[in-house]
Parts: sequence; C-alpha cells; structure tokens
Amino acid sequence: QVQLVQSGTEVKKPGASVKVSCKTSGYTFTNYVLNWVRQAPGQRLEWMGWIDAGTANTEYSQKFQARVTITRDKSASTAYMELSSLRYEDTAVYFCARGGYWGPGGSAFDIWGQGTMVTVSS
Amino acid sequence: EIVLTQSPGTLSLSPGERATLSCRASQSVSSSYLAWYQQKPGQAPRLLMFGASSRDTGIPDRFSGSGSGTDFSLTISRLEPADFAVYYCQHYGSSPLTFGGGTKVEIK
Repeated sequence: QVQLVQSGTEVKKPGASVKVSCKTSGYTFTNYVLNWVRQAPGQRLEWMGWIDAGTANTEYSQKFQARVTITRDKSASTAYMELSSLRYEDTAVYFCARGGYWGPGGSAFDIWGQGTMVTVSS
Repeated sequence: EIVLTQSPGTLSLSPGERATLSCRASQSVSSSYLAWYQQKPGQAPRLLMFGASSRDTGIPDRFSGSGSGTDFSLTISRLEPADFAVYYCQHYGSSPLTFGGGTKVEIK
C-alpha cells in the first residue's frame, strides 16, 4: 500500500540545521508532488513547500524561503527537507504529505508520513 | 495570503448527534479548492474531503462538505466514537497554502 515513512526524532541546537527524510513506497514516485507541513505545539498546521518528484521543481512558502531546501532522490523514492538556522520556535512535528488532488496553488494532501519531532534546545 | 477561520473552536456533542463545522476564508477560494482533514492525538492528519464536497477514498458517507467562495462547512451526520477529533480546513487555490486553526469535536 502507499506509504510515506519519515526519519526519526531530532534534537538540535539553535543555529544548527536539520534534514528530515521521507521514504515513499507503493506508488510511482515521479508522478506526484511531495509537500512538507509542520505543526508546532498548540499551533495550526503550516505548509512549508513542495517538490515535484518528477522534475525536482520546488515552491516554498515565503515564510521559510530563506531557510528551507526540499530535494529528492529518484533512485531512492525519497524526499528531503532541510531547515537551517534553527530557532527555538522551529520546535515542531514535521510531516511530509503527498499532493493527491491538484489545484492552482498546490494540492490537497492524500497520504501523510508519520511525522518527525524536531526539538530545538540549547 | 488567505486566512482561514474555523468555528467553533470546540464542539461538545454526544454520539449519534449531528456536527456542523465552519471554515471562513478571508478571500474567495477559487473553484472551491478547499480540503478538510481529521487529526487524532499523536497521529498525522487524514484527508476527508477535497474540492469542498468530494470525499476521499474510504471516507464514510456520514461526512459531507459544502460551500463556495468564502464560506465552507463540514457536516458529520451522526457522530460515531471514532469521529471525536480535531478537524482542519485547508485551501489550495493559491499560494501559499494555508490551514484553519481547527475545531475540536469532543464528547459531551
């Protein structure tokens, strides 16, 4: 079945970078967009950006544009999200999510990874 | 950026009752590119509805969505124990994609 499996919990110091992976299976990797969404404690879900797994084209939320890089490895059917210059307020669960239904601005997310907790602490 | 405001913040209902959740957009959402998700504690969100009124695969027909423009709603016709959760709306008609703040449906 279709699955997105993310890498494990991370603890980072302020100013460091974190790279989270999202390994996909059960579908043709290059046919879909993969998104990254985060959820800080008690906060609403926040879209960070997406990558077209076929072309590697990306689009980022302006809020994260300067600090986030989303990449993919076609041979491994895996997408990555790297967030740099980490701040305490970046403490959140980070999800990858497949873009299942497309619209002009992006997509609705039909399959989600299990989430990766990233804690920023000194 | 389109701001989505969900109401009420919390809905206290009993199993078997009807739940109506609202999602209001600060600007018109083009062609009803509006989705609804259910999230339970410690889990990822689950897609319920896309295109405002289309159920995703495997979603029971007690869930229905409606609306257009700036006003959307999700209705659960008869609440079952598994339906008590937090519900989020999300638009994908323009960038950036944004989510509402959520409505918690709790057992009364």
